[in-house]
Amino acid sequence: DAGITQSPRYKITETGRQVTLMCHQTWSHSYMFWYRQDLGHGLRLIYYSAAADITDKGEVPDGYVVSRSKTENFPLTLESATRSQTSVYFCASSDRQGALTFGSGTRLTVV
Amino acid sequence: AQKITQTQPGMFVQEKEAVTLDCTYDTSDPSYGLFWYKQPSSGEMIFLIYQGSYDQQNATEGRYSLNFQKARKSANLVISASQLGDSAMYFCAMRDHTGFQKLVFGTGTRLLVSP
Repeated sequence: DAGITQSPRYKITETGRQVTLMCHQTWSHSYMFWYRQDLGHGLRLIYYSAAADITDKGEVPDGYVVSRSKTENFPLTLESATRSQTSVYFCASSDRQGALTFGSGTRLTVV
Repeated sequence: AQKITQTQPGMFVQEKEAVTLDCTYDTSDPSYGLFWYKQPSSGEMIFLIYQGSYDQQNATEGRYSLNFQKARKSANLVISASQLGDSAMYFCAMRDHTGFQKLVFGTGTRLLVSP
C-alpha cells in the first residue's frame, strides 16, 4: 500500500541496548524526518534527510543515529538506549512543497 | 530561532459551537509556512490546513479556517460547528525556509467537545 509505514508499533527494550526503528515510504519523497513526542514538548525534530545519503541533525539528536542509503527508507537507531529516550517516535516525509505526512508512530519504552 | 507558542493547554467547547485555538509564532524569516495538525486519541498526526506567509487570504478547508494576522504573528485555528470527533490534540507548526522542509511544533492544545 502507498504511504509511510513505521515498525514496530510498540517496543520495550532495556537500558543500554541498541534498538532500530524502521520507516518506509512509497511516494519517493525527497525529505524524511524523525520526531519524538513527549508530554509538554510537542514534537521535536531528531534528524532529517533531504535525499539519499544526505542527513542532518535536528533539535535533539544526541544518542541517535540515522542512515538513508535508499530514498524510501530512513531508519533511526538508538545506539545505547536510556530511559530518557522513552517516547513516541514519528517518522514523516514530504515533497518539495507539501505538508509533512506522518507515519503511525512507534511507542518505545526503555526499562 | 523559530518558535511556536500555544498558550492553551486545554479547551472545552459544546457541540455545534465554534472554537478558536491560539497560535503565535516568532521568526525573522519573511518567507515561512504555518500548519495545523490534529492528533486524535488513536495517535496519528493528521494535516488540517496550511497558510503561506505571502498568502493574501486566510486559508480555509471545510470547517477549518486559519485566522492569519501577520503583524501580530498569530495563526489561530478556527473550527466551526464543532463535532464530537473534533476532540483531539491540535498542533500548530511552522516551516522554515532553509530548504529542508523542517517543521517546528508548538506544545499543542487539547480540545474536548461535549454533547
